[in-house]
Amino acid sequence: GAVVSQHPSRVICKSGTSVKIECRSLDFQATTMFWYRQFPKKSLMLMATSNEGSKATYEQGVEKDKFLINHASLTLSTLTVTSAHPEDSSFYICSASNRDTSNSPLPFGNGTRLTVT
Amino acid sequence: AQKITQTQPGMFVQEKEAVTLDCTYDTSDPSYGLFWYKQPSSGEMIFLIYQGSYDQQNATEGRYSLNFQKARKSANLVISASQLGDSAMYFCAMREAQAGTALIFGKGTTLSVSS
Repeated sequence: GAVVSQHPSRVICKSGTSVKIECRSLDFQATTMFWYRQFPKKSLMLMATSNEGSKATYEQGVEKDKFLINHASLTLSTLTVTSAHPEDSSFYICSASNRDTSNSPLPFGNGTRLTVT
Repeated sequence: AQKITQTQPGMFVQEKEAVTLDCTYDTSDPSYGLFWYKQPSSGEMIFLIYQGSYDQQNATEGRYSLNFQKARKSANLVISASQLGDSAMYFCAMREAQAGTALIFGKGTTLSVSS
């Protein structure tokens, strides 16, 4: 089955630094990748959709300069949290899709728990 | 715009009993997919079951079944013979038919199974 790997699983950084999270599709070509954010005991909120080779589409309210998304290849997308602050602490999780229809369960990475001190 | 509603923040059930987790949805797209995912405390998203908007029969996967009532726009998850390991957060999600569309999630239901 389709497998998505996300790295790192946990990261602690100091306020003002930037953090990069990687999302890789291991056994399929991901034309589209999705980034979600989840606060404790809350739902997954879609942050942005990235298509390989083009700029990401951000959801309303998500700062594109704060959350930089790059999807340079069909197997890798990265999310960079720039100048991180404590309020950016959250669980970030990615998912990936190839050219399919709505009947495919999207595989997810295992998520990255970001703590900004 | 598509929308998923889960009205049960928490559900409690005893081992071996069945439990129903509610989900209603709204979309203007006639072609869509409905999904249920389980998220244990470790955070991973585990796919449980899928129902397509044109499927005539309710989906079943082992102890999981989906009670799909299209006219009422509901897609409830039924877990039979609950186990302690079923304790987790459960999300209902929908994806419209266009290629490249994201899963949109409901708020989730926390299921607690006791012995």
